[in-house]
Amino acid sequence: DADVTQTPRNRITKTGKRIMLECSQTKGHDRMYWYRQDPGLGLRLIYYSFDVKDINKGEISDGYSVSRQAQAKFSLSLESAIPNQTALYFCATSDWTETNQPQHFGDGTRLSIL
Amino acid sequence: EDQVTQSPEALRLQEGESSSLNCSYTVSGLRGLFWYRQDPGKGPEFLFTLYSAGEEKEKERLKATLTKKESFLHITAPKPEDSATYLCAVQLTLYNQGGKLIFGQGTELSVKP
Repeated sequence: DADVTQTPRNRITKTGKRIMLECSQTKGHDRMYWYRQDPGLGLRLIYYSFDVKDINKGEISDGYSVSRQAQAKFSLSLESAIPNQTALYFCATSDWTETNQPQHFGDGTRLSIL
Repeated sequence: EDQVTQSPEALRLQEGESSSLNCSYTVSGLRGLFWYRQDPGKGPEFLFTLYSAGEEKEKERLKATLTKKESFLHITAPKPEDSATYLCAVQLTLYNQGGKLIFGQGTELSVKP
């Protein structure tokens, strides 16, 4: 079983709809992240969370919101989807230690907004 | 502005033809540099972390090196299964950055038999 699981894997929806992408992890990590990936732009950070009570905006948070329901669950919402939010979305986790562990990624959600 | 640039964007090699991928960075303070491999339809998979100039890490046909301005991913005698997109990312020293990574755009490597 995957350590970082994202659902759904694919989603097609219409402009104006509310969408929630979910991420769960079994790695026991405190830190969780949401990224989007666009061709030619690489991965860009949307939101990140140090723990259940700590949520922070990334570089492209406008139009998105998040919820950290538990240490293992971090969801991303698009309140009113628009076509330029069509992208590949990734959730990642990390264990913050002095030796600085890498981030571990799920397999992504491909989101298309018509 | 903190920035990471990878080159080339795409690289096509014949099996056995060694080459290097480049990751250059301009950041306020480097905590670590990460290399990831990404296969189509998958999330990035961690390969290496480098922390200081002069450091090298190896894994099978891959070797990563780091200087004060750039990192190289050397691929020796590549095989078709090495075909993937290789991503470079830097992590900043500022504590309030929360371990955030700044990614380059990636290099798409194709190895033909």
